[in-house]
Amino acid sequence: DTEVTQTPKHLVMGMTNKKSLKCEQHMGHRAMYWYKQKAKKPPELMFVYSYEKLSINESVPSRFSPECPNSSLLNLHLHALQPEDSALYLCASSQETGVYGYTFGSGTRLTVV
Amino acid sequence: GEDVEQSLFLSVREGDSSVINCTYTDSSSTYLYWYKQEPGAGLQLLTYIFSNMDMKQDQRLTVLLNKKDKHLSLRIADTQTGDSAIYFCAETLLMDTGRRALTFGSGTRLQVQP
Repeated sequence: DTEVTQTPKHLVMGMTNKKSLKCEQHMGHRAMYWYKQKAKKPPELMFVYSYEKLSINESVPSRFSPECPNSSLLNLHLHALQPEDSALYLCASSQETGVYGYTFGSGTRLTVV
Repeated sequence: GEDVEQSLFLSVREGDSSVINCTYTDSSSTYLYWYKQEPGAGLQLLTYIFSNMDMKQDQRLTVLLNKKDKHLSLRIADTQTGDSAIYFCAETLLMDTGRRALTFGSGTRLQVQP
C-alpha cells in the first residue's frame, strides 16, 4: 500500500459545526503532516507529527485541533471555523527524516458557510 | 512559498520541451523536489535531487541544479497534454523547532496546447 487516504473528499460545514478530517497511511511512515492550500496558492504547512507526537505547529488557530491516535492515523478536528478557512486540506506522510519526499493524499475540499 | 520563487505560467505545444525554473534561498537544503498537482487533486512527487548532484534524469524528466545560484529547473521532454498541471518546486526548510519541513514554491501552471 503506497497511498495516503483522506476522508471525506468534500465537506461543507456551518460556522457553528464540529467536524473532523481523517487521514490514513499504511506505509510505516512515522511522520505525518497537515497542509492547507487556498486556490491558486501553494500548500502551507499547518502541523507535523513525528512518532505520534506534535513536533511543529505553524501558529495555527486553536479552532484547528490535530490528533494522532496511532502511527497510521491523523485527524484534524474543526470547530467554529470561519468562511476564510475554506480550502483544500492535504495530509501527507513520510519516513522520519522526509528526505525522500512526502506522499500526499488527494485532500479534503472544505467549504465553510 | 515566499522563500522559493517560480514563474507563474508556461505554455508550450505538444511535443515540445518544457522548462520550469525555480529559485530557492536555503543553501543548506540537502534535497530539492518537484511535485505535480492536477486540478482538484493532491500532490504527486515527480522527482528529487540531492544537493551534491548537478543533474538527474528520469525518463522524460531532467532536473538541473545550480547550487551557486540556488537555481533548480525541471525539463520535460516531448511534453504531452497529460502534463498540463501545476508544478511546484520544494525544499525542506529549517523550522523554529529545529525540525525541517517541506516548503513549496509558488507553483508554475503548465499549459500544453495540442
